[in-house]
Amino acid sequence: GAGVSQSPRYKVAKRGQDVALRCDPISGHVSLFWYQQALGQGPEFLTYFQNEAQLDKSGLPSDRFFAERPEGSVSTLKIQRTQQEDSAVYLCASSPRDRGDYGYTFGSGTRLTVV
Amino acid sequence: AQSVTQPDIHITVSEGASLELRCNYSYGATPYLFWYVQSPGQGLQLLLKYFSGDTLVQGIKGFEAEFKRSQSSFKLRKPSVHWSDAAEYFCASPREYGNKLVFGAGTILRVKS
Repeated sequence: GAGVSQSPRYKVAKRGQDVALRCDPISGHVSLFWYQQALGQGPEFLTYFQNEAQLDKSGLPSDRFFAERPEGSVSTLKIQRTQQEDSAVYLCASSPRDRGDYGYTFGSGTRLTVV
Repeated sequence: AQSVTQPDIHITVSEGASLELRCNYSYGATPYLFWYVQSPGQGLQLLLKYFSGDTLVQGIKGFEAEFKRSQSSFKLRKPSVHWSDAAEYFCASPREYGNKLVFGAGTILRVKS
């Protein structure tokens, strides 16, 4: 597609529920990133994929967070047993290179609200 | 540890007035620096980037930024602000190792008519 597509745009989850957030990067983009943006804050890095390989998951806040990109294109961020502190906008970004100009293209994000 | 600081949480300017947004970084070497803009409900859009060379870089939408090593600063400027520029602006830089970006907390720009 023309841009990075994320779905759903909005998700309301009850505390303890599992959620799955989807990211469709720009076709052919090698790198894919997930960021978490809490209200009033800048985005915080969660994890990075180069093709299907998850090269960096140092930003995942707990073992309840899991991300995958099995075929090197679409990625899913899964959060198990959601907590209120997980409420945030989850941004996905992709880049055509494996490193270099950091000129990511961001999606519009998924706003997760845990009630 | 590397960090990026945006001292101003909110800035209000009149339409047609000039704009300057501040960003300070803490790094030893010359950093890569970026300015992104985020409109409400939207993702981040890259305005411009600095890697090396000329300290004044031009971006999209009439924005430019000046890198000053002596002040550890990367200021975003626009000579004449339009109402459509109202948004949140983020300064960012990569961590020393790896591809991840470190973002400042953002500056919310309000434009008054």
